[in-house]
Amino acid sequence: KAGVTQTPRYLIKTRGQQVTLSCSPISGHRSVSWYQQTPGQGLQFLFEYFSETQRNKGNFPGRFSGRQFSNSRSEMNVSTLELGDSALYLCASSLGGDKNEAFFGQGTRLTVV
Amino acid sequence: AQSVTQLDSHVSVSEGTPVLLRCNYSSSYSPSLFWYVQHPNKGLQLLLKYTSAATLVKGINGFEAEFKKSETSFHLTKPSAHMSDAAEYFCVVSEKPRQLTFGSGTQLTVLP
Repeated sequence: KAGVTQTPRYLIKTRGQQVTLSCSPISGHRSVSWYQQTPGQGLQFLFEYFSETQRNKGNFPGRFSGRQFSNSRSEMNVSTLELGDSALYLCASSLGGDKNEAFFGQGTRLTVV
Repeated sequence: AQSVTQLDSHVSVSEGTPVLLRCNYSSSYSPSLFWYVQHPNKGLQLLLKYTSAATLVKGINGFEAEFKKSETSFHLTKPSAHMSDAAEYFCVVSEKPRQLTFGSGTQLTVLP
């Protein structure tokens, strides 16, 4: 069974640009969550999608947004990039319902210059 | 509100000696608790989970953790460290399904 796939693995963007990251969950999983990992703030929850609807949202500005498609694939978008957005962005896949067990992808390393 | 505190940012052990990584949590409910491991330039791998069944939880690679409600602790242990255990370990609490709150991490170094 294929794991969680995140693309691209690495990105370099310029301040002010926008970026879209993609996550394909494990087959059969309907929930996708996104996390930001930085040396200073650690791992922080961004948002979670289940059945194409955002169910939970962390404490991030509106520049961070996401969506989920009918095949459960998810995209995350960051607009007007800032230097502080440089981070490893991790996607987690879960069955959904009351199942908490999350399986993580290898992440997308975003560098903003 | 839920939170988790990992008491040690760095732990060093010699190969073959026991490992203890400490974690305390705070939660208004009966949470789910997890330990994840992250090797350099890799994603997070689930080591084990506690979801209100047995208080002693066995995970992969010989790791286990004991849930102690009275102490609000969920410490991770392994009887004998291996070089391949060197990585960063995260204690995680979850009150809401699929929303995880991570501790700050413990970097484990295994000395030959």
